[in-house]
Amino acid sequence: DIQMTQSPSSVSASVGDRVTITCRASQGMSSWLAWYQQKPGKAPKLLIYAASNLQSGVPSRFSGSGSGTDFTLTISSLQPEDFATYYCQQANGFPLTFGGGTKVEIK
Amino acid sequence: EVQLVESGGGLVQPGGSLRLSCAVSGFTFSNYEMNWVRQAPGKGLEWVSYISSSGATIYYADSVKGRFTFSRDNAKNSLYLQMNSLTAEDTAVYYCARDKTAAGTNLDYWGQGTQVTVSS
Repeated sequence: DIQMTQSPSSVSASVGDRVTITCRASQGMSSWLAWYQQKPGKAPKLLIYAASNLQSGVPSRFSGSGSGTDFTLTISSLQPEDFATYYCQQANGFPLTFGGGTKVEIK
Repeated sequence: EVQLVESGGGLVQPGGSLRLSCAVSGFTFSNYEMNWVRQAPGKGLEWVSYISSSGATIYYADSVKGRFTFSRDNAKNSLYLQMNSLTAEDTAVYYCARDKTAAGTNLDYWGQGTQVTVSS
């Protein structure tokens, strides 16, 4: 199974800040990585697929990069509605595995 | 509008059974692979099971293999998760989710979730 390690587990940031979250896979998986946003009491929302492709309707301040084992989600200018928990997920094969999550909190 | 609506959750005793359903609408259900993902209280996301568009191929997480059965009825636009021999570790919100079917397995639409609580 591919293990996904996210860092940091939490980050405090202000509106307008640039935020970067990293995800490392235990083995290489090309670009088969997705990022999700989850708000309390809500289902996750797909933000990025195939490492860098923006899902339809997702604001362009979100971007993804990376390949192989190291991936990054960047929020270029944090907005109030972006305070949430973010998860990476390897899309390379089964079992699907998720990172432990990164909670983005208000500073 | 794409919609996925889970039902069937509730409180069940350890060792008991529960059957979850997921009713979908707004897309051609028979063309899409589907998944169940769960989230224990205060924890992260855990993939549970996958089913191909025809239902011929099914995968399970090791944690549920042999106890859970994933099925679909394309005529009824519905998914089912039969859960047997439940333990406290199965307590979670269960989501059904659609596979975007592009560049690997990416879950582009999710239901609102249904709570399963295993407790005596």
